[in-house]
Amino acid sequence: ELKVEQNPLFLSMQEGKNYTIYCNYSTTSDRLYWYRQDPGKSLESLFVLLSNGAVKQEGRLMASLDTKARLSTLHITAAVHDLSATYFCAVDIGLTFGKGTHLIIQP
Amino acid sequence: KAGVTQTPRYLIKTRGQQVTLSCSPISGHRSVSWYQQTPGQGLQFLFEYFSETQRNKGNFPGRFSGRQFSNSRSEMNVSTLELGDSALYLCASSLAAGALAGELFFGEGSRLTVL
Repeated sequence: ELKVEQNPLFLSMQEGKNYTIYCNYSTTSDRLYWYRQDPGKSLESLFVLLSNGAVKQEGRLMASLDTKARLSTLHITAAVHDLSATYFCAVDIGLTFGKGTHLIIQP
Repeated sequence: KAGVTQTPRYLIKTRGQQVTLSCSPISGHRSVSWYQQTPGQGLQFLFEYFSETQRNKGNFPGRFSGRQFSNSRSEMNVSTLELGDSALYLCASSLAAGALAGELFFGEGSRLTVL
């Protein structure tokens, strides 16, 4: 059974700081997704990573995938308050989601 | 370009009733998948449909069923509702299914409350 673990599950950080969210998964997969969810809202697609070594960047967010280590990271650079949300990683076909990282960025 | 449309957005049912939720995918998308989101269990995969065929199914009881029509619109049905079925039900569409799925786009969800 595929398991997806995110850490940390809760993160409070100050604006301007850098931080990384980690996503580990238990079985071989060559596709990984990152989503953002605001309270009461649906899931917004951030990144789709489809190969080992894939790196994608959008604004202050950068995601990478290491399929050999079964690890993806979502790096936040110089955080701003608008990035406060819950971030999910999801793996494989018929997506298996992590529990999400609830991120609060304080001014 | 219209996004994924789910109806109804909110509904309240009582135990034992059944409910049908609808999802219209993005135009041109042929794959629709369904997910249940609860505070306790998080996001869980229900099923995936492509060209009117169920391609993949999650670990849910038979009370949960779905179908897809020739225009790619999909419905899911939950029979004999239980309190634990209270959740946000999310639909996602993509151009293709399975290994070719690529990016998935989610609708706003249908929030079901079972009393």
